[in-house]
Amino acid sequence: EVQLVESGGGLVKPGGSLRLSCAASGFTFSSYSMNWVRQAPGKGLEWVSSISSSSSYIYYADSVKGRFTISRDNAKNSLYLQMNSLRAEDTAVYYCAREFRQVLDYWGQGTLVTVSS
Amino acid sequence: IQLTQSPSSLSASVGDRVTITCRASQGISSYLAWYQQKPGKAPKLLIYAASTLQSGVPSRFSGSGSGTDFTLTISSLQPEDFATYYCQQLNSYPRTFGGGTKVEIK
Repeated sequence: EVQLVESGGGLVKPGGSLRLSCAASGFTFSSYSMNWVRQAPGKGLEWVSSISSSSSYIYYADSVKGRFTISRDNAKNSLYLQMNSLRAEDTAVYYCAREFRQVLDYWGQGTLVTVSS
Repeated sequence: IQLTQSPSSLSASVGDRVTITCRASQGISSYLAWYQQKPGKAPKLLIYAASTLQSGVPSRFSGSGSGTDFTLTISSLQPEDFATYYCQQLNSYPRTFGGGTKVEIK
């Protein structure tokens, strides 16, 4: 069974940093691209970042470019999102999602990041 | 690429046929997916490649379209279908989502 479990969310002050993790199991993690998608409270979905299976290709939304860094450790079956210079508008539930044939077919349950003083 | 979903919300009754549209600001071939999200839950993939039903998804859901205009249809709305639906384009980066359509009970 495919499982994606996010962790690392919490309360952080504006300008602060946080590192999210996503632990994957039930599939060959190293064979799949992975994504982060976020959802601000009461709002719609926003794609944040993608990383290819071997980390060769990385993409970011303009809203996070230069502040967030996606990475992965295939030996640990883990996906990461390093978030720096956090702003109030980064407050959201962050989901990791597996990508298969250009579709996000499995999603984690999400981790809440709150940026507030 | 911007995705415009319509309507943003709708009220319908059990058994109704429901149609949601998603329009892309430029052509995206068939690289469009539809997701269902219930409150407090992660999105669930319903349809990919514009018209391919994800395994395990009931056949009352269907998708159509290519290029810039796409449709998600629920042929006979069931109680468990009341949720918010999102389209997403996977033709190019950034991988944008539509604004969502909330399907409520009439």
